Amino acid sequence: DAGVTQSPTHLIKTRGQQVTLRCSPKSGHDTVSWYQQALGQGPQFIFQYYEEEERQRGNFPDRFSGHQFPNYSSELNVNALLLGDSALYLCASSLLAGLGEETQYFGPGTRLLVL
Amino acid sequence: DQQVKQNSPSLSVQEGRISILNCDYTNSMFDYFLWYKKYPAEGPTFLISISSIKDKNEDGRFTVFLNKSAKHLSLHIVPSQPGDSAVYFCAARGVTTDSWGKFQFGAGTQVVVTP
Repeated sequence: DAGVTQSPTHLIKTRGQQVTLRCSPKSGHDTVSWYQQALGQGPQFIFQYYEEEERQRGNFPDRFSGHQFPNYSSELNVNALLLGDSALYLCASSLLAGLGEETQYFGPGTRLLVL
Repeated sequence: DQQVKQNSPSLSVQEGRISILNCDYTNSMFDYFLWYKKYPAEGPTFLISISSIKDKNEDGRFTVFLNKSAKHLSLHIVPSQPGDSAVYFCAARGVTTDSWGKFQFGAGTQVVVTP
């Protein structure tokens, strides 16, 4: 049973560029959430996708956008990269998010470095 | 606005003894709590959860206690093993529909289990 997978594992970009990160959820899951984890901090919620729509959003600017495909996989796009966007980006999947006790399962993350 | 706080950045414990990790929260609308373990270069791994209708939940060596009046939860690991050395995060979610899926994480506690 495949868990949550993410690609790429590492990425280096320069300021002003755009980046796309990808996530495949755990088998049987229909909901994908994205988090940003800066060094020494806990994950910060970016947004959640369910039924191909953004269902929840955290306090992140519009430069952060996403998409969910019919097969439940998801992409995170970040435009106009800033040095402060350097972080570990985590994808988490869950089933029927919001219905009672939702458990989110995380992928290994994508390490983004912005120079 | 940090609504979930783990005030101990690190904890050292001897193998075989009990590890106690603490987490405090400020939002009285939080109703569901999770603990995750994270090794370097990996995503967080789900350990155990508890909903606000309970004050204790056990799973093998892991027990989570919830004190709603104090807005405090703790994770007990008994007995501690070398493989438990990792960073532990607590996470919380609100009861309202606009909070579903939007987990807030503490900054983490680094646990080191010594022989």
